[in-house]
This record gives sequence, structure tokens and C-alpha cells, in this order.
Amino acid sequence: KQEVTQIPAALSVPEGENLVLNCSFTDSAIYNLQWFRQDPGKGLTSLLLIQSSQREQTSGRLNASLDKSSGRSTLYIAASQPGDSATYLCAVGTGNTPLVFGKGTRLSVIA
Amino acid sequence: GAGVSQTPSNKVTEKGKYVELRCDPISGHTALYWYRQSLGQGPEFLIYFQGTGAADDSGLPNDRFFAVRPEGSVSTLKIQRTERGDSAVYLCASSSPGSGEETQYFGPGTRLLVL
Repeated sequence: KQEVTQIPAALSVPEGENLVLNCSFTDSAIYNLQWFRQDPGKGLTSLLLIQSSQREQTSGRLNASLDKSSGRSTLYIAASQPGDSATYLCAVGTGNTPLVFGKGTRLSVIA
Repeated sequence: GAGVSQTPSNKVTEKGKYVELRCDPISGHTALYWYRQSLGQGPEFLIYFQGTGAADDSGLPNDRFFAVRPEGSVSTLKIQRTERGDSAVYLCASSSPGSGEETQYFGPGTRLLVL
């Protein structure tokens, strides 16, 4: 059974810092990996999707990497801003199947 | 176009009652997913539809939970004899894998509180 772990559970940083969120998964036979953002009381917003054949994806200040063989992904946020404060969720998929989520990292960026 | 919508946004009910939660996926998306999210947890899979049929319902916790998607678009999640432990946010997502759109797009969720 696939299990996804996210470390740290919570993170507080001053504005302007670069930061890394970690995600690990137990079964490397994945089809893709997706990073989401969730604001309090809201649904999930997709940030980046990485196919199993890819090593990384970038969108603006966000960069997600994938090392499938070691079962790890990282989300790098450059020059963090208070508006980046949210919970970040990592989820892995195996084809047209439901995603398996981690519990998330709760990020606070302090102005 | 419009994103995934879910109604109601909030639902308060009493233990033992029946509830229906509705999901309108993105137009043209063939795959539809229901997840449940408890406080402080990531979403957990309930059921997945490809078209009108349930391709995978292994996440439904028991037979009080049932979902339909009769015309391959709108889906309804039905919970019978609700229990306090059913309180959670119920999330719906859609995607279009056949068109190469594998990203799952989520709705805002329905917050269910069972008293």
C-alpha cells in the first residue's frame, strides 16, 4: 500500500527566504506526482504535476523535483512571500487512479 | 471555463439522517473522484468514476456510503444514517486523462457536520 510522508509538518520562515518542502513515498511505481496548495477552509489548488519520466517542473518561483527511484520529491519555493502561507500537499498517482496524499506541510511566511 | 463546483458548501445534519452532496465537474472531464479530508489530514480517496461507471469504489468506508454519476457528468455522494464520525470536508475532483489532462482539479469541498 502506497504511503506518502511530508516533512516538516509545519514550517515558519521570514519573508524572502528560500525554502524546501519534502515528500517521500514508499512505492516507486508511480505514474505522476502532484503538488497542491490548500488555503484554510478552501479546496486544493494544483501547483505542479511531474510525470514519472520527468525530473523536475517549474512554475514561477516554484520548482518541484522528483527522484522516483529513491521515492522522494521536493518543492522549492524561492523568495518566499506572506501570500505563500498555506498548507502544501504532495500526492502520488498510479495512472488513472486516485491520488494518495500526504498530510501536508503547513507553511507560515512572516512579514 | 468554470472549475469544479460543489454544493452545498456547508451541511449540518443530525446523527441518523440522510445527506446528498453534489459535484459538478469541469465540462468534458471524463474522470471524477471523491475524497474525504479530516482536520489536519490529507484527503483520502473514496470513489472514482470513469464516465458513468464506478471504476474504483474501494475507498468507501462502509455500505452507508454510495455515489452515482448517471449521465457521466454530475455526481452525487449519498450518505445514509449519518454518524458523527462522518464529519469532514468532502472534496470532488475531475480530470481528463484521455485528453492528456492528468492534473486533478478540485472543487472547494462540502463541509459536513453531523451533530
